[in-house]
Amino acid sequence: SAVISQKPSRDICQRGTSLTIQCQVDSQVTMMFWYRQQPGQSLTLIATANQGSEATYESGFVIDKFPISRPNLTFSTLTVSNMSPEDSSIYLCSVEGGRGADTQYFGPGTRLTVL
Amino acid sequence: GQQLNQSPQSMFIQEGEDVSMNCTSSSIFNTWLWYKQDPGEGPVLLIALYKAGELTSNGRLTAQFGITRKDSFLNISASIPSDVGIYFCAGLAAGNKLTFGGGTRVLVKP
Repeated sequence: SAVISQKPSRDICQRGTSLTIQCQVDSQVTMMFWYRQQPGQSLTLIATANQGSEATYESGFVIDKFPISRPNLTFSTLTVSNMSPEDSSIYLCSVEGGRGADTQYFGPGTRLTVL
Repeated sequence: GQQLNQSPQSMFIQEGEDVSMNCTSSSIFNTWLWYKQDPGEGPVLLIALYKAGELTSNGRLTAQFGITRKDSFLNISASIPSDVGIYFCAGLAAGNKLTFGGGTRVLVKP
C-alpha cells in the first residue's frame, strides 16, 4: 500500500481566513481524492484530483470554497477558503491502490478547528 | 448523496466475544471495502471484496460480499481491547468514488 502524509496534522484558524492542506504520496498515482469528516460523522467525498486537469467536485462542494491543485502524480493540495466554524472537520486525502486501482488508501488526516 | 446503511451504530464488546456488523445499500457495488479508524488517524483498509458471494478473512476478521451485491458484513472473532475503534464499510462505484456507511463504533464493556 502507498504511504501518504498530510500537512499540517492539525490547525486552529480564525474565521474568514484560508488554510491549504498538503498531501504527499510515496509513489505515482493517477487519482487522488479529498474527503471531509465532520465531527462524529462518516466520510464525504469532496472532489477527485487528477493531474493535468481540473478537479471534479461532488454535489455540495464548489471550487471557490475548496480549490484543489494537482501539480504532479505524487502531490495535491486542498484549500479551505474563507473559513467559518462549520468548516471544522477532519480533511483526508486518499489515493487509488490495489489490483486494478479498486481500493483506496488514506492519509492520516488534517484536523481543522475554526474559531 | 447516496448513503450506505451500516448497523449497529455502536456496540460494546467484552474480550473474547465475537462481533458482527453489516452494511446495506439500495444500489449495486462492484467492490466492498471495510476500514477501521482509530482516534486521530485516517481509516486503515482491513478487507477488500471484489466478487459477489466472496468470503475473505484477514486474521480474526472475516467479511462477505453479498450475493445481491447490495450488502456486506464484517465479523470479528475473539475480540481483544485493540479492536476498539470505528469501523466503516464503503462501496466503490464508477470513477473510483467511495461511498461510506455511517460507521460502527466498537467500545469496551465497562
